[in-house]
Amino acid sequence: EDQVTQSPEALRLQEGESSSLNCSYTVSGLRGLFWYRQDPGKGPEFLFTLYSAGEEKEKERLKATLTKKESFLHITAPKPEDSATYLCAVRDFNKFYFGSGTKLNVKP
Amino acid sequence: DVKVTQSSRYLVKRTGEKVFLECVQDMDHENMFWYRQDPGLGLRLIYFSYDVKMKEKGDIPEGYSVSREKKERFSLILESASTNQTSMYLCASIKVRDSPGTNEQFFGPGTRLTVL
Repeated sequence: EDQVTQSPEALRLQEGESSSLNCSYTVSGLRGLFWYRQDPGKGPEFLFTLYSAGEEKEKERLKATLTKKESFLHITAPKPEDSATYLCAVRDFNKFYFGSGTKLNVKP
Repeated sequence: DVKVTQSSRYLVKRTGEKVFLECVQDMDHENMFWYRQDPGLGLRLIYFSYDVKMKEKGDIPEGYSVSREKKERFSLILESASTNQTSMYLCASIKVRDSPGTNEQFFGPGTRLTVL
């Protein structure tokens, strides 16, 4: 069964149009939820780690939040350089489970 | 900065060839991982290692083996490459100590392998 589900699969935004990406998960022993950014042909680049429900982290136009069953990555006033695939992963003891990602395209 | 490097960015091999993909990290991380990434399937864990000479199967180990003779180096081996192993291969590492700020995986740049 799926451990991590991301939605939507793809998202097209106009520059400045804020939105949110969703990551829902089902693991028994959550030891962290991670957000990564991946540009085409490159390895994922770490953005945030969240450990407990209610926690929030921010970095420039990105803000990640966590509840007991899902996480949101909010993008405020995005720019074309924010275009990338955003991956969510959860850690369950020694393993990491990844979602399929949300491909974000921000048009100028 | 943590650096995870992979031996090749692009690789083209023929069916039946033995293929070696190497990964090196320079931050004394205990755990290392090999994933493959395919469109629509996300990252899938092939093998991971939590110490020198130790390995554990991930979700899709069939057709692959690994070697970890030194702490900083983790190799993925395709004993007899097949076309369905054409993929992006990503190596990652992590410090085992479970404390905030040290839990994230650091990834290498990836190796795009094509098997003809």
